[in-house]
Amino acid sequence: DTAVSQTPKYLVTQMGNDKSIKCEQNLGHDTMYWYKQDSKKFLKIMFSYNNKELIINETVPNRFSPKSPDKAHLNLHINSLELGDSAVYFCASSHRGANPSSYNEQFFGPGTRLTVL
Amino acid sequence: EDQVTQSPEALRLQEGESSSLNCSYTVSGLRGLFWYRQDPGKGPEFLFTLYSAGEEKEKERLKATLTKKESFLHITAPKPEDSATYLCAVKAAGNKLTFGGGTRVLVKP
Repeated sequence: DTAVSQTPKYLVTQMGNDKSIKCEQNLGHDTMYWYKQDSKKFLKIMFSYNNKELIINETVPNRFSPKSPDKAHLNLHINSLELGDSAVYFCASSHRGANPSSYNEQFFGPGTRLTVL
Repeated sequence: EDQVTQSPEALRLQEGESSSLNCSYTVSGLRGLFWYRQDPGKGPEFLFTLYSAGEEKEKERLKATLTKKESFLHITAPKPEDSATYLCAVKAAGNKLTFGGGTRVLVKP
């Protein structure tokens, strides 16, 4: 009965490779997010999708491309991986509803630890 | 730009020794302040949402309070299982959360 799941949990790859991380939520939420947590443990928003529409796109290299095939899935594809991309990536979801300023809390997945060698 | 600062960075407590964590924020138009708990190797786990100054929420040994400039997370008579990193985040317009750097709490038996 996992709420927000991510695969893989660990990803070790070489510089220059292309990789994807998958995220699925079974909470019936309409909004999903990708966050990056660096070595200093700061969590920073990268992207957010509401009903498959991109609504938040922070200053992220265009090597990162989110893809949302439906409301329950938000995948993250990374091209030409660099050493600085090493971090833990978290997916999250929430219910936004009709009010874009709603207070609803976000629920996080277990994270994907990406190591670029 | 929204800013969130948490202090202290780390806190060592003896079991039963109550303490408070601070979250100071600068945001235009606060839409909510959130507290999360994060265990090593896991994703943040939602604890509380506070909406307006003066509001308080409690859950077991944790109590969160909110003023116009900061929030406190009080841990009363902590147990070793309360050891974790506690994260504070604010939301302004839209659904974007801005997180602080967290406070690592270690409760020794």
